[in-house]
Amino acid sequence: DTAVSQTPKYLVTQMGNDKSIKCEQNLGHDTMYWYKQDSKKFLKIMFSYNNKELIINETVPNRFSPKSPDKAHLNLHINSLELGDSAVYFCASSGGASGANVLTFGAGSRLTVL
Amino acid sequence: AQSVTQPDIHITVSEGASLELRCNYSYGATPYLFWYVQSPGQGLQLLLKYFSGDTLVQGIKGFEAEFKRSQSSFNLRKPSVHWSDAAEYFCAVGPPGGYQKVTFGIGTKLQVIP
Repeated sequence: DTAVSQTPKYLVTQMGNDKSIKCEQNLGHDTMYWYKQDSKKFLKIMFSYNNKELIINETVPNRFSPKSPDKAHLNLHINSLELGDSAVYFCASSGGASGANVLTFGAGSRLTVL
Repeated sequence: AQSVTQPDIHITVSEGASLELRCNYSYGATPYLFWYVQSPGQGLQLLLKYFSGDTLVQGIKGFEAEFKRSQSSFNLRKPSVHWSDAAEYFCAVGPPGGYQKVTFGIGTKLQVIP
């Protein structure tokens, strides 16, 4: 069983469209995150939720809206996509026996905006 | 603000040679420190972490890292590199305590030649 799973793995879309990426973890962790990795591999945190409550909200355009229906799921919706949104988006979770700061990552969702 | 510097963007080593990847951090007190590895097309996987105690920490896949407070460093080492170690390596820093923001370095790409 995949611990942190993201769908879709690849997403190609036109500028101006709206898209969503879904994330689910089966580790029983309390905290989930979205990270963005740009073309230079730089990894930057976007959001974090703890037990469905938003606890980290970095300087991200409000076109990005996370939603956590329960502590095992954290989805990312992006409105009015722009070329600069092209990146790999990683979902991660933390908590449990591994520790609150130890991140378990999904395989990533590569978004290409044309 | 916390930050991480990985001065080497790209390192090439011969298979069987020793490896040291450099990491320097900036943080007001003793932070939590991590090394993650990312294979092509994959998410990040934790190699090892330092929270407190013994400054030499052992990780998976034969890696170790040493925390040196006086140098604000947390360098990653492996005595003998295998071709399968070719990947991107990320150093990360986070404040002590749970559910805090973890900041990543820009990564070091390791190439292993036969």
